[in-house]
Amino acid sequence: QVQLVESGGGVVQPGRSLKISCAASGFTFSNHAIHWVRQAPGKGLEWVAVILYDGSNKYYADSVKGRFTISRDNSQNMLYLLMNSLRAEDTAVYYCARGNYGGNSHPDYWGQGTLVTVSS
Amino acid sequence: QLVLTQSPSASASLGAPVNLTCTLSSGHRWYAVSWHQQQPEKGPRFLMKINSDGSHTKGDGIPDRFSGSSSGAERLLTISSLQSEDEADYYCHSWGTDIHVFGFGTKVTVL
Repeated sequence: QVQLVESGGGVVQPGRSLKISCAASGFTFSNHAIHWVRQAPGKGLEWVAVILYDGSNKYYADSVKGRFTISRDNSQNMLYLLMNSLRAEDTAVYYCARGNYGGNSHPDYWGQGTLVTVSS
Repeated sequence: QLVLTQSPSASASLGAPVNLTCTLSSGHRWYAVSWHQQQPEKGPRFLMKINSDGSHTKGDGIPDRFSGSSSGAERLLTISSLQSEDEADYYCHSWGTDIHVFGFGTKVTVL
């Protein structure tokens, strides 16, 4: 079955960097776009970024553009999010979610999330 | 600008129907929408994608009581017979060439 397992969350100081990961299994990873979506405490879902099936195209929310970088390793079935210049408002549970197909598409499977807390 | 509008809350008695609406912003009435359920303290779960013509594709294992339809700029999620496990937050989502957007969510309460 499709599984997405996020890791790497934790507490980080404002202005610092953190890289979180998502391990995928149960499907052909290289055939699907993958998203990062976050949820601040007590708030709704906010789309962060998507990377298409081969990594050739990446799109970002305005709130993270220029600070966050999404990447993937299709040989390892891994997705990453490098977060630089972190701010308090980046505090959230970060979910990875599989796109329905390789192009720009809606999420159809979700992980359980990893919590990132930005605090001094 | 792509914006999705949802009512903040909805409620119904056990076994009663409930309709959730997601309204696409002006100029985006032809866009598809996906719906996602988030039960308390859990990650989201994909329910279905609804196209502008009302056709819809459900996720794996989604019960028959969940259905979708479309009317103009509205994409509707219907739960035909509300169950206790359906008490959750429901988010609609849509996307363009280089952007994805979620609605603010509707909290469904079982009375």
